[in-house]
Amino acid sequence: QKEVEQNSGPLSVPEGAIASLNCTYSDRGSQSFFWYRQYSGKSPELIMSIYSNGDKEDGRFTAQLNKASQYVSLLIRDSQPSDSATYLCAVENDYKLSFGAGTTVTVRA
Amino acid sequence: KAGVTQTPRYLIKTRGQQVTLSCSPISGHRSVSWYQQTPGQGLQFLFEYFSETQRNKGNFPGRFSGRQFSNSRSEMNVSTLELGDSALYLCASSFSPGVNTEAFFGQGTRLTVV
Repeated sequence: QKEVEQNSGPLSVPEGAIASLNCTYSDRGSQSFFWYRQYSGKSPELIMSIYSNGDKEDGRFTAQLNKASQYVSLLIRDSQPSDSATYLCAVENDYKLSFGAGTTVTVRA
Repeated sequence: KAGVTQTPRYLIKTRGQQVTLSCSPISGHRSVSWYQQTPGQGLQFLFEYFSETQRNKGNFPGRFSGRQFSNSRSEMNVSTLELGDSALYLCASSFSPGVNTEAFFGQGTRLTVV
C-alpha cells in the first residue's frame, strides 16, 4: 500500500465549477497535511496546509481533513483556467514529506 | 524575502561522472530537504538536514549524499551517475523540521545524464 494515494486523473471541469480532489494516507500517526500545486515544468507551490480535523478555507480553496478516515481533500471553487495544474497531496512524517502521484486538473473555458 | 535558491538550474552530465547541487534556504529557515522528481516515480524524499545533522534519509543508494553548512545552505552530491538519475532535483526549506511546519520548494535543478 502506498503511503499517500490520490484519486486518479485527469480531472476536467468547466470554468466556474468546483473541482474536488481526494487523498488518503496510510500512517495513522500523521499530523501535518499539505496541498501543493505544480504547473508543467515548474516546482511545487504550497497552496494549503491543514493540521486539525475539519475545514480550512483560503480564498477559493478549501481543505478538509478527517484523521479518523485518514482522508484529506481539496476543493477549488469557481475554477479558473489558471487553476489548470497538477495538485499534489503531501503528508509529513519523521521530518519528510510523502507525496501522492498527483491529480492533473484541466479547467475548460 | 528571497525564496529558496537552487543552483545550477540545468545540468548535463555523462554516465560515471559525479555532480554537486546547491540549495540556499529562505532566510531564517534551518531545515533543508531534498527530493527527486521523475515522471515514473513522482516526488521521492532523499534526505533532510537540520543544524548540519541529517535527521532522515530516503531509500536511495549510497551514491546520493548530502550535507548542510552552518549557514543552513545545503549541497547534495551524486557519484557515479547513471542514466536513471536523470530527474528534477528539488530542495525545500522550512523554519524547523517536524510537525506543523510548512515547506517551500526552490525552482529545482534539472539533471540530464547521457
